[in-house]
Amino acid sequence: AQKITQTQPGMFVQEKEAVTLDCTYDTSDPSYGLFWYKQPSSGEMIFLIYQGSYDQQNATEGRYSLNFQKARKSANLVISASQLGDSAMYFCAMSPKYNAGNMLTFGGGTRLMVKP
Amino acid sequence: DTGVSQDPRHKITKRGQNVTFRCDPISEHNRLYWYRQTLGQGPEFLTYFQNEAQLEKSRLLSDRFSAERPKGSFSTLEIQRTEQGDSAMYLCASSSPSGQDSGNTIYFGEGSWLTVV
Repeated sequence: AQKITQTQPGMFVQEKEAVTLDCTYDTSDPSYGLFWYKQPSSGEMIFLIYQGSYDQQNATEGRYSLNFQKARKSANLVISASQLGDSAMYFCAMSPKYNAGNMLTFGGGTRLMVKP
Repeated sequence: DTGVSQDPRHKITKRGQNVTFRCDPISEHNRLYWYRQTLGQGPEFLTYFQNEAQLEKSRLLSDRFSAERPKGSFSTLEIQRTEQGDSAMYLCASSSPSGQDSGNTIYFGEGSWLTVV
């Protein structure tokens, strides 16, 4: 069974500063995918970034980067230069296959609040 | 709009009534998923289709829940004899076949909020 743990229920960050959201996972599968999603108050889950278990380099997408430490089973999300619009719930998730295409297991989420 | 669309966005129903939600995935996506999200929690997987075949079902999907994807395009999720515990947001998602460039990304709709009173 797969499990995702997000230990930070809420985080504050000053606008324009960087912030790291923690995510640890547990799986016995050698092949898996890791995702981060943003959920604003409107409810839609917005895909941010993906990391495959066999990827050698950390994934980056614009202001988002994923700090993948396989030995520690962690997949932290780093948001650089925070903006007010980044205030939302953030969910870490994993899929049982490297190429996704299968069900996701989500963590409990972290609420990020960006202060002006 | 070429994203995942869900209808209705909000539904209030009396306990014991049946409700049906519809999901239209991104047109070239052959995989479709349903998730349920209760307040303050992350989404939980309910079921998964590849084309018209329902390949996986969670234990969360009780006998009162049924999902279909008759032609491999849109999908419906029906809840019969609703209970107050069914109150949640029902999220639909889709993805392209594994191995394609965008196969690693699962795209979600805006969800359908259900309130059972």
